[in-house]
Amino acid sequence: DVKVTQSSRYLVKRTGEKVFLECVQDMDHENMFWYRQDPGLGLRLIYFSYDVKMKEKGDIPEGYSVSREKKERFSLILESASTNQTSMYLCASSFPGSSYNEQFFGPGTRLTVL
Amino acid sequence: EDKVVQSPLSLVVHEGDTVTLNCSYEVTNFRSLLWYKQEKKAPTFLFMLTSSGIEKKSGRLSSILDKKELFSILNITATQTGDSAVYLCAVADSGGGADGLTFGKGTHLIIQP
Repeated sequence: DVKVTQSSRYLVKRTGEKVFLECVQDMDHENMFWYRQDPGLGLRLIYFSYDVKMKEKGDIPEGYSVSREKKERFSLILESASTNQTSMYLCASSFPGSSYNEQFFGPGTRLTVL
Repeated sequence: EDKVVQSPLSLVVHEGDTVTLNCSYEVTNFRSLLWYKQEKKAPTFLFMLTSSGIEKKSGRLSSILDKKELFSILNITATQTGDSAVYLCAVADSGGGADGLTFGKGTHLIIQP
């Protein structure tokens, strides 16, 4: 059974804190993604990675960085959390290539920055 | 810039009704269009469409793509309260190094008993 897990379901942090969101997949997928989801804005891509140590900016990378040291793990880092980063964060993974567009999502992390 | 627009943004119907959800898109190099259902957790995959005019079907749900007019519809017949969810449409293009998707804002569907 396909599985994408995220380290926390709910997280509360203070402004200025450094925040790590971890995502692990057990499907040997090359591609991994971080999205944030906000009411009225839908899902927006923050960063993605198509291989270990490779990363590319998505649509809204400002204020975030990522790390992919191992194939199964993709971390999203908020260097200095701000209140406008309060959101639901979703991690996803997929195989590369034209036949495998299906992305598998983790359960999400609801982050509140106070 | 790739763009995906879903309509309506929200819809309330009674159990047993049939609903049609719409998704239009503008993508530079279209590869596929995907539909997801999201309840109170992460989105779950419904359909992937790559060819025009071929209907995909799963139980009471079906979907079709029109690549000429750049839209897709998702139909749900004989709706049930368990169909209440946000339905997301996403489009993949063939540019870039990974299969990043552009999502619409979703249609919030509420089925009343």
